[in-house]
Amino acid sequence: SQTIHQWPATLVQPVGSPLSLECTVEGTSNPNLYWYRQAAGRGLQLLFYSVGIGQISSEVPQNLSASRPQDRQFILSSKKLLLSDSGFYLCAWSQGTGGYTFGSGTRLTVV
Amino acid sequence: RKEVEQDPGPFNVPEGATVAFNCTYSNSASQSFFWYRQDCRKEPKLLMSVYSSGNEDGRFTAQLNRASQYISLLIRDSKLSDSATYLCVVWMFSGGYNKLIFGAGTRLAVHP
Repeated sequence: SQTIHQWPATLVQPVGSPLSLECTVEGTSNPNLYWYRQAAGRGLQLLFYSVGIGQISSEVPQNLSASRPQDRQFILSSKKLLLSDSGFYLCAWSQGTGGYTFGSGTRLTVV
Repeated sequence: RKEVEQDPGPFNVPEGATVAFNCTYSNSASQSFFWYRQDCRKEPKLLMSVYSSGNEDGRFTAQLNRASQYISLLIRDSKLSDSATYLCVVWMFSGGYNKLIFGAGTRLAVHP
């Protein structure tokens, strides 16, 4: 069966520090991968999506970047965090039929 | 205008009550529709898909009206365990890829 792993679960980082969040998927190949962010009390916002290795598209301009070095690995990064980067970051995968499966999320607090 | 709009609630209902959530979407090109459930501080999980003919899964009934661009979720005989945030979600193919657009969610609190 397919599983999605995301880590770390929580993270507290100072403003200006770098960020790296990792997501891996097991049990499937060539998945569509997504990074979402949920700010406190708000809906999920799509940040990045990827349809294959090295193929990244960004939904909104921001302080973050994403990479897909392997088929089932998706990484979210920042060189310098801002306070506004705080939120709940969720990785998700789909095989194109509409339903997504989410990882357990990383709760990031920038202080 | 938001692409997917929901009443944020909260809806506070007693056990056994029937509660209905509504949702509207703005893009008529939306192709598929879903309800997700999100527990506090957890990831969203798919509750059910929504079909034009309406569909039921136990105590949950979902309806879609494409002409009005309106989606609903009905929960009958509410349980304490139904307390969560319910996310209305539309799926569309745009810009060469498929993507889910989420509403901000409606919070439900079921009390004894």
